[in-house]
Amino acid sequence: SYVLTQPPSVSVAPGKTARITCGGNNIGSKSVHWYQQKPGQAPVLVVYDDSDRPSGIPERFSGSNSGNTATLTISRVEAGDEADYYCQVWDSNSDHPYVFGTGTKVTVL
Amino acid sequence: EVQLVESGGGLVQPGESLRLSCSASGFNFSIYEMTWVRQAPGKGLEWVSYISSGGSIIYYADSVKGRFTISRDNAKNSLFLQMNSLRAEDTAVYYCCYGDYVYYLDYWGQGTLVTVSS
Repeated sequence: SYVLTQPPSVSVAPGKTARITCGGNNIGSKSVHWYQQKPGQAPVLVVYDDSDRPSGIPERFSGSNSGNTATLTISRVEAGDEADYYCQVWDSNSDHPYVFGTGTKVTVL
Repeated sequence: EVQLVESGGGLVQPGESLRLSCSASGFNFSIYEMTWVRQAPGKGLEWVSYISSGGSIIYYADSVKGRFTISRDNAKNSLFLQMNSLRAEDTAVYYCCYGDYVYYLDYWGQGTLVTVSS
């Protein structure tokens, strides 16, 4: 089955830019979606289809996808962005359609 | 407003069964695919099961295949997960989810905790 790999942690100072990677075999050929999860809460979709944002998600959240790596970028990081972030793809050729990444803990210094 | 409310979680012993329910409101439940996702304590998200809008297409993660059964009642706007032969490794928060497009999950319930322990 398809595997998505993320770094376990990323640290960033307030006001700086955080980049979270999601690696997968030829992931650039798939659409990647990103979720934010704060402690004790359900995940929230922050980016879908590589780079689109749902209503209500700040423009500071952006995404890109090419080759074997997708990236979620958080610009002008705020304390409230501290959370776990997961990438996800829909594997249309599988009977295991939803594949989640391993997750990245973003710490705001 | 979309609402997904899970129920049925609790503490059970290994080998026992539990049935989770998800009550949906605020959208046309009968035309959307539904999904269960779980999260073990301190761990990442794990997809568990998927059911098509009419219930004719069903998928399971290898870790639960043969033990869990997903079903839905479109007349009652409800999704279910029958969990049999529970194991300690099934301990997790179970989320009911769906998306306006099947490829991603826009909406999540608050989750229900299942603890399997002797």
